[in-house]
Amino acid sequence: EAQVTQNPRYLITVTGKKLTVTCSQNMNHEYMSWYRQDPGLGLRQIYYSMNVEVTDKGDVPEGYKVSRKEKRNFPLILESPSPNQTSLYFCASSLSGAGNTGELFFGEGSRLTVL
Amino acid sequence: AQKITQTQPGMFVQEKEAVTLDCTYDTSDPSYGLFWYKQPSSGEMIFLIYQGSYDQQNATEGRYSLNFQKARKSANLVISASQLGDSAMYFCAMRITGNQFYFGTGTSLTVIP
Repeated sequence: EAQVTQNPRYLITVTGKKLTVTCSQNMNHEYMSWYRQDPGLGLRQIYYSMNVEVTDKGDVPEGYKVSRKEKRNFPLILESPSPNQTSLYFCASSLSGAGNTGELFFGEGSRLTVL
Repeated sequence: AQKITQTQPGMFVQEKEAVTLDCTYDTSDPSYGLFWYKQPSSGEMIFLIYQGSYDQQNATEGRYSLNFQKARKSANLVISASQLGDSAMYFCAMRITGNQFYFGTGTSLTVIP
């Protein structure tokens, strides 16, 4: 089954404790990206990657890191989480290039609470 | 600056009626894509419909159609014959050259029996 898998789905952590949210897709998509969803703000792009070893900042990259060492994986790293990073996080992937609409396929979301 | 605006925080529609969800966008990029996504209360994001900036005709997908007015920079979603299962949050999104995405703040649609 074609899917984007995120882990963990739910996490409660404390300020300053490094954490990683994993994201993996099995559709051979070149493009992967991370979003955070907050009430009243919609989804905001954190980072995106056009292909392996290529990453770019989105609208709200502060406090986050990403890496793209393999095509299928795009982990989101919070080196020193703070309470304002409490949010619902989505990973998404898509085909890119001419002839593709580039629609995003989303993971199920990861709800993160930072105390 | 790139921007997506959804001005209707909440909408109500009677079952079997049609409803229009508004979306305006702002970009100086001549090539862009416009998307609508549905987020039910279960939380997953579901792709509904896509419109490319160079597409001459409005996109349609079953009961969904996108009313694309390029000069007005609007991309409204029309849902015909509303069903109870259409109750959800709806997000308009834009992709610009370089594949950066921008989302609106969403519209919560409630279908009344």
